[in-house]
Amino acid sequence: KAGVTQTPRYLIKTRGQQVTLSCSPISGHRSVSWYQQTPGQGLQFLFEYFSETQRNKGNFPGRFSGRQFSNSRSEMNVSTLELGDSALYLCASTPYGTGISPLHFGNGTRLTVT
Amino acid sequence: AQTVTQSQPEMSVQEAETVTLSCTYDTSESDYYLFWYKQPPSRQMILVIRQEAYKQQNATENRFSVNFQKAAKSFSLKISDSQLGDAAMYFCAYRFPNNAGNMLTFGGGTRLMVKP
Repeated sequence: KAGVTQTPRYLIKTRGQQVTLSCSPISGHRSVSWYQQTPGQGLQFLFEYFSETQRNKGNFPGRFSGRQFSNSRSEMNVSTLELGDSALYLCASTPYGTGISPLHFGNGTRLTVT
Repeated sequence: AQTVTQSQPEMSVQEAETVTLSCTYDTSESDYYLFWYKQPPSRQMILVIRQEAYKQQNATENRFSVNFQKAAKSFSLKISDSQLGDAAMYFCAYRFPNNAGNMLTFGGGTRLMVKP
């Protein structure tokens, strides 16, 4: 079974631009979560989608948004990029809405904002 | 709010020796899940071990085991017979068990170095 796939792997953008990151979960997984990882703030939860509905959202400004499609693939969008948005963005999927089933992570998208 | 603390930013261990990574958490819940994830330089977070809070028995996975002390809110990871491939960042994580979703709260991480 293919793992969680994130594209692109690396991205360089200019301040003020917007960016869209993509995540394809493991087949059959209905929950997709996004995390931001930075040296200063560590791993922070962005949002979770389950069956196309946003279920939880972390403490991030409205410039960060996401969506999930009927095939469970997810995208996250960051508008009006700031230098502080430079980070590794990790996507994770799990089959169910809750439970002990662990999150399976992708390799991440490294976003650099200049 | 739940918080997870890993007090050791860096640890080192000799190959074949045993090392213990510490994790404490703060929660008012009685039922929850705890995880240890490993992140090698490839960046992919890999599940090492998981524990359900209502289970008193400590989880084990081959060379990896946990010491779960619910009253003390402590969840340490023991790695036995350390191997060079164990070198990575290790993150402790907490998750609610209910329908609040699959959100994980992570600790700050511990960088483990393995000396040959």
